[in-house]
Amino acid sequence: EAGVAQSPRYKIIEKRQSVAFWCNPISGHATLYWYQQILGQGPKLLIQFQNNGVVDDSQLPKDRFSAERLKGVDSTLKIQPAKLEDSAVYLCASSPGGVPTGELFFGEGSRLTVL
Amino acid sequence: DAKTTQPTSMDCAEGRAANLPCNHSTISGNEYVYWYRQIHSQGPQYIIHGLKNNETNEMASLIITEDRKSSTLILPHATLRDTAVYYCIVRGYSSGSARQLTFGSGTQLTVLP
Repeated sequence: EAGVAQSPRYKIIEKRQSVAFWCNPISGHATLYWYQQILGQGPKLLIQFQNNGVVDDSQLPKDRFSAERLKGVDSTLKIQPAKLEDSAVYLCASSPGGVPTGELFFGEGSRLTVL
Repeated sequence: DAKTTQPTSMDCAEGRAANLPCNHSTISGNEYVYWYRQIHSQGPQYIIHGLKNNETNEMASLIITEDRKSSTLILPHATLRDTAVYYCIVRGYSSGSARQLTFGSGTQLTVLP
């Protein structure tokens, strides 16, 4: 079974530039999450989708971050304009719908460096 | 979700059992205890979860105290590949936003040769 795919793995940009990250969840998984992990900290949830609808985006800095999952499959997370404090690993995770088991499947992440 | 408290770091000798503690004194009756780990430069990986009974799978065992205020993750024979940050998380078992996992800082386990 293919895992959660993310790209790019690494990205370096200058502040005020824009960047986009892509995630393809495990086939059939209805729920998709984006997490931000700053060095030395645990992952922090940014947004949760159920199919193509947003369940929770309360911790997404909406003035600069946006995310979409238009067809209920893959998803894109965008940052525009980027700030130095956005340097982090952006993790995508997915889980199946139906009865929740608590098991989230994570991708390897996209590491962003903002200079 | 209830908050958890874990030691910042622990060492364990290769081949010995690694016992990782977690305190979750404010856990409510419908909240489960989950354990994930994150090996360097990888995404977190699910290990095990439980409600009140002890659980065991091919990776680890989970021991939850009778009052459910604390738990211990046991890796029976630690190997160098078990070096990782281990996260203890408590979470409700329902749909919607309750499916979220809220990560703390975890315990850095270092397995020594």
